[in-house]
Amino acid sequence: DQQVKQNSPSLSVQEGRISILNCDYTNSMFDYFLWYKKYPAEGPTFLISISSIKDKNEDGRFTVFLNKSAKHLSLHIVPSQPGDSAVYFCAASSDRNEKLTFGTGTRLTIIP
Amino acid sequence: DAGVIQSPRHEVTEMGQEVTLRCKPISGHNSLFWYRQTMMRGLELLIYFNNNVPIDDSGMPEDRFSAKMPNASFSTLKIQPSEPRDSAVYFCASSHVNTEAFFGQGTRLTVV
Repeated sequence: DQQVKQNSPSLSVQEGRISILNCDYTNSMFDYFLWYKKYPAEGPTFLISISSIKDKNEDGRFTVFLNKSAKHLSLHIVPSQPGDSAVYFCAASSDRNEKLTFGTGTRLTIIP
Repeated sequence: DAGVIQSPRHEVTEMGQEVTLRCKPISGHNSLFWYRQTMMRGLELLIYFNNNVPIDDSGMPEDRFSAKMPNASFSTLKIQPSEPRDSAVYFCASSHVNTEAFFGQGTRLTVV
């Protein structure tokens, strides 16, 4: 039972354009959501998070949007840069310090 | 701080052998997580500890897997006996009440 789903295994975007990565969840107990970025042969690194009391959180080029009624969140990267090429994991938990449930990841490739 | 330290980085072993993976969390972090990454299932939580006590081990595949945290600065994940289907990348992560989880670089396990 996949409680966090990333339905797009891969995405290619032209440099300078907007990258939009999507994530859906099924567990209504989740109230804290995160995006992690992973380069090959490295561990995932935290990128940005959002709690369920908000619908948007922005950090530089990265913005996460949360639609609780649809159980959907998205990560927007604008403008996209070659260094953004990585695998992006969506994750959710019922509390900030609790265990994370991850999606299967989306491989983002930025085309120069 | 050097971050979460995992050893070894790579492990190749024969089926039936015992394998021990090691993790040193970030100093001061009170939660420790073991995850496994596979192509099919993405990042799965195996077990997590809070203040050295196992809180949730429901993700541990079967009795061949065991994990210990004898003190706040060290944890092990043991597989005995190992099987080819255990081949994956195993990540350790740690967190504190006011931080997101920080991941180590992972141990790539290959069981032949």
